[in-house]
Amino acid sequence: DTGVSQDPRHKITKRGQNVTFRCDPISEHNRLYWYRQTLGQGPEFLTYFQNEAQLEKSRLLSDRFSAERPKGSFSTLEIQRTEQGDSAMYLCASSLLGGDTDTQYFGPGTRLTVL
Amino acid sequence: SQKIEQNSEALNIQEGKTATLTCNYTNYSPAYLQWYRQDPGRGPVFLLLIRENEKEKRKERLKVTFDTTLKQSLFHITASQPADSATYLCALEYGGSQGNLIFGKGTKLSVKP
Repeated sequence: DTGVSQDPRHKITKRGQNVTFRCDPISEHNRLYWYRQTLGQGPEFLTYFQNEAQLEKSRLLSDRFSAERPKGSFSTLEIQRTEQGDSAMYLCASSLLGGDTDTQYFGPGTRLTVL
Repeated sequence: SQKIEQNSEALNIQEGKTATLTCNYTNYSPAYLQWYRQDPGRGPVFLLLIRENEKEKRKERLKVTFDTTLKQSLFHITASQPADSATYLCALEYGGSQGNLIFGKGTKLSVKP
């Protein structure tokens, strides 16, 4: 069990550019979540997948944001036309539907800075 | 909408004392509540989950209580150590079987030697 991994760990980009983040969940986990966290706040839910199906999206997820989980394994989060307000830590978490607990295991996050 | 509050942004205590962190929520009755630890620049790490039918749960030096009448959870760290210094996040599920979580802002605990 290697845990949840995220790539890259840090991303600096200029306003207006597109960025894509990747998340690799724990291998047997069928649920995958994306959160955004800004300084001094708790993680805010963005979206989640059960296998390859995207089942819920937060109103925080504007049309510039898109997430995919094409084969029910890794997931990508893309932000188009980045804005300075998108600067945050983007966290991925995974869990196992039907497991003993409803625990979500988080990755280390991708810190995005938009200049 | 659901609202979750953690009592203070920061808590400073002396090593060896018991730290008590508070989490209050409104407008919902979650099936369970979780506590996470987060160190700077890292993702949250799961600590404990307590279900609505459980009053108390323990894990080593950690204890969590859940009062569904008061809509409150207390998180205790006994015999605190400087290594316990971190931000502690309370999270409640709001999606039924979806397992979706809403997080509080966290309480930053500092344990002084």
